[in-house]
Amino acid sequence: EADIYQTPRYLVIGTGKKITLECSQTMGHDKMYWYQQDPGMELHLIHYSYGVNSTEKGDLSSESTVSRIRTEHFPLTLESARPSHTSQYLCASSEDKRTYQETQYFGPGTRLLVL
Amino acid sequence: KNEVEQSPQNLTAQEGEFITINCSYSVGISALHWLQQHPGGGIVSLFMLSSGKKKHGRLIATINIQEKHSSLHITASHPRDSAVYICAVRSGGSQGNLIFGKGTKLSVKP
Repeated sequence: EADIYQTPRYLVIGTGKKITLECSQTMGHDKMYWYQQDPGMELHLIHYSYGVNSTEKGDLSSESTVSRIRTEHFPLTLESARPSHTSQYLCASSEDKRTYQETQYFGPGTRLLVL
Repeated sequence: KNEVEQSPQNLTAQEGEFITINCSYSVGISALHWLQQHPGGGIVSLFMLSSGKKKHGRLIATINIQEKHSSLHITASHPRDSAVYICAVRSGGSQGNLIFGKGTKLSVKP
């Protein structure tokens, strides 16, 4: 079973608020990812990190930012939430095996609703 | 057109039926993953394939690299198999990111 955690699981918030979605993993994985998934749609990569102090933007443009100060922690921040940010956000991690055989382990997700 | 297409989008089956979910992709890949997403949102990795066939319990995954096609089979389906099954491919070599299909929503009725 994967040891990757996300908080909060559900969040309802008003427009303009600053929010931080937390993601932590206890597996010592170097690689971490944030995905955005709208209902019935595919996952889209919005941020990823190959290790401490490494962050990259993903395939889908996002107004969010991330940081990677510690290996186990990869928080995602929205400075000013808008209704268009309503979605599910999934965090994942994997070992950096530098082969195609790496498996990503997913957290339970955070469902965000911005009113 | 998405680079990863799954069919069907929705599937309803009776308990005990044999189920097949298909995935076609249009890019060169180094690996293909089958994932299971439960209603709460959590995702579990089922298989990683680069060739041939893998079996785990009642689940079987196959891939045909030449035809750019993979199938996920569930034998003797059970209501607890109800979930969304997602196909994802890793393109651009071993360091490429995953590209996801939209998923197939499976509902198995008792």
